[in-house]
Amino acid sequence: AQSVTQLGSHVSVSEGALVLLRCNYSSSVPPYLFWYVQYPNQGLQLLLKYTSAATLVKGINGFEAEFKKSETSFHLTKPSAHMSDAAEYFCAVSPLFGNEKLTFGTGTRLTIIP
Amino acid sequence: GAGVSQTPSNKVTEKGKYVELRCDPISGHTALYWYRQSLGQGPEFLIYFQGTGAADDSGLPNDRFFAVRPEGSVSTLKIQRTERGDSAVYLCASSLGERGVQETQYFGPGTRLLVL
Repeated sequence: AQSVTQLGSHVSVSEGALVLLRCNYSSSVPPYLFWYVQYPNQGLQLLLKYTSAATLVKGINGFEAEFKKSETSFHLTKPSAHMSDAAEYFCAVSPLFGNEKLTFGTGTRLTIIP
Repeated sequence: GAGVSQTPSNKVTEKGKYVELRCDPISGHTALYWYRQSLGQGPEFLIYFQGTGAADDSGLPNDRFFAVRPEGSVSTLKIQRTERGDSAVYLCASSLGERGVQETQYFGPGTRLLVL
């Protein structure tokens, strides 16, 4: 079964600093990978997705992620953190074939320090 | 346009009661998903509909949980004999439903269920 592991349940960065949220996947075949963001009391919003077209994926709000097959990783980055980035971030995976149900990681809560 | 909507936004019930949670997908979306998010966890898949039929219900935890989508649009998640462990946020998502294409799933705000 496919799964994702998010390292660090809580990450704190200073405003203006680099944001790095880690995600590693477990799959025998490179799957589809996603990053979702969840603001308090709101639904999940897609930040970006990897569907094998390009290894560096750019998303909304200045976020990007790089698919590295050799490391089975799909880490999320943003060069300069903004206060509005404070939220919960989820990495998710779905298989290449079959239905598109998502398997989520346990999430990383990002706190921005003024 | 309108996104995925879910009602009620909050539901408090007593152990042993029956509850229904409703999901209105984005118009024209044929695929609909239910997920459950427990406190401090990521969402967990429950069931997936393609049109009116349940294409994958492997995530339903037991036979107290049931979901329907009779006309291929609105879906209702039904929970019988609720238990305190059912307390969670129930999320609904929809997508266009094109076969063989990895689509974006659009999520609703969720229904927060509390079983006392």
